[in-house]
Amino acid sequence: QKEVEQNSGPLSVPEGAIASLNCTYSDRGSQSFFWYRQYSGKSPELIMSIYSNGDKEDGRFTAQLNKASQYVSLLIRDSQPSDSATYLCAVIDSGYSTLTFGKGTMLLVSP
Amino acid sequence: DAGITQSPRHKVTETGTPVTLRCHQTENHRYMYWYRQDPGHGLRLIHYSYGVKDTDKGEVSDGYSVSRSKTEDFLLTLESATSSQTSVYFCAISESPATSIEKLFFGSGTQLSVL
Repeated sequence: QKEVEQNSGPLSVPEGAIASLNCTYSDRGSQSFFWYRQYSGKSPELIMSIYSNGDKEDGRFTAQLNKASQYVSLLIRDSQPSDSATYLCAVIDSGYSTLTFGKGTMLLVSP
Repeated sequence: DAGITQSPRHKVTETGTPVTLRCHQTENHRYMYWYRQDPGHGLRLIHYSYGVKDTDKGEVSDGYSVSRSKTEDFLLTLESATSSQTSVYFCAISESPATSIEKLFFGSGTQLSVL
C-alpha cells in the first residue's frame, strides 16, 4: 500500500508568519508531487506542482522536494487569514497510474 | 472554472437502495475520476476512466461500479448502498494521463448520506 503521510493539524500561525506544511511518501519511485488547497465545504484546487529536487517558488508559495528523504513541503510566506484551509499533498505513484492523496493538514491563520 | 457538474449535490437514501451519481463535463477531457472523501481518510480513488467504455478500479472500488458511454458523462453506481458509503463524493477530470498530470479539476462534490 503506497502511503502519503501528513500531520492532520491544525497548524496555527499568526498573520504574516511563515507556515510550513510537510508530507512524506512511501513509494521511492514517485516522480511527481502536488499540493492542493481545500477550503471547508469546497472542492480541492491545485496550487503547486514539483518534479525535481529543490525549491519551486510561485508568489507566496514555495514547494520543496527531497527525493532521497522522500519528503515534500509547502511554505507559505506572509500567511493571510484567507490561507486558512486544508492542504492536501498528492503523489503520482511509480506505476504512473493514479494520484494518491494524503489526509491533509488544516492550517489556521489568525489575524 | 472547469466545466464539471455533479448531480445531485445532496442525497439521502436508505440502506439497500441503489444510487447513481452523475458527473458531466464540458471540457472534452479524456480522463475522469471518482473519489470519496471521509474524515481521517482523505481523498481515496474509487474508479477512473481513460476513455469511453474504458474504466479501471481504484483503491476503494468494492461496492461501486461505473460507466462511461459518452466522453462527457461518468456515472458512479452504488448497487446496494450501505452506511459505510456515507461520504462526500468528488468527480475530477484531467486532460493528461497520470504520467503527466498537470492539473486535476474537481467538481463541487455530492454529499451522500445512507441511513
